[in-house]
Amino acid sequence: DAGITQSPRHKVTETGTPVTLRCHQTENHRYMYWYRQDPGHGLRLIHYSYGVKDTDKGEVSDGYSVSRSKTEDFLLTLESATSSQTSVYFCALKPGNTDTQYFGPGTRLTVL
Amino acid sequence: DAKTTQPPSMDCAEGRAANLPCNHSTISGNEYVYWYRQIHSQGPQYIIHGLKNNETNEMASLIITEDRKSSTLILPHATLRDTAVYYCIVRVSETSGSRLTFGEGTQLTVNP
Repeated sequence: DAGITQSPRHKVTETGTPVTLRCHQTENHRYMYWYRQDPGHGLRLIHYSYGVKDTDKGEVSDGYSVSRSKTEDFLLTLESATSSQTSVYFCALKPGNTDTQYFGPGTRLTVL
Repeated sequence: DAKTTQPPSMDCAEGRAANLPCNHSTISGNEYVYWYRQIHSQGPQYIIHGLKNNETNEMASLIITEDRKSSTLILPHATLRDTAVYYCIVRVSETSGSRLTFGEGTQLTVNP
């Protein structure tokens, strides 16, 4: 158990509304990631963080922003949700001395 | 990262060994073989990884051929809870935190 939680676990929202997903860890790991998973596309990286206030874009970052003001929390924000952002979102973390990523339980987001 | 090829699906009887193959004929000398699995509606879970030698942990064994062009993940006594999609990933091990690339994987179904 890598001590990683995500909230909320499920959310339904309307197009145009802002949404923030939270990833929380208890282990003080440096690297954290946000992925989305869609049928036919597998897991795709949205953004990742390599430390407090240090973030970078992944392959599908358009429409998303992230913030990491403290080590334990990595927030993913959809400024104005669209139906194409309906997906399952997974957070992951990586201990600094390994190349193994540990995933959270996921957040299922539906944008109507 | 090197490309991998896995069968789309496999079946296994409960209590028997499940042998999941992966071809990675273009693997480079410094690339590792990683295995993850994803049980339905859960986040991906790390299983095992190796470079050249066979590896074993509490979850599984990893057999890598001498030429490293293919590998087999072995679940020695499969249970119904091992039903999942299994992903073989080949990548350079690093601590800088680059993303994981998941392919289509193998859907393993363990039957009673």
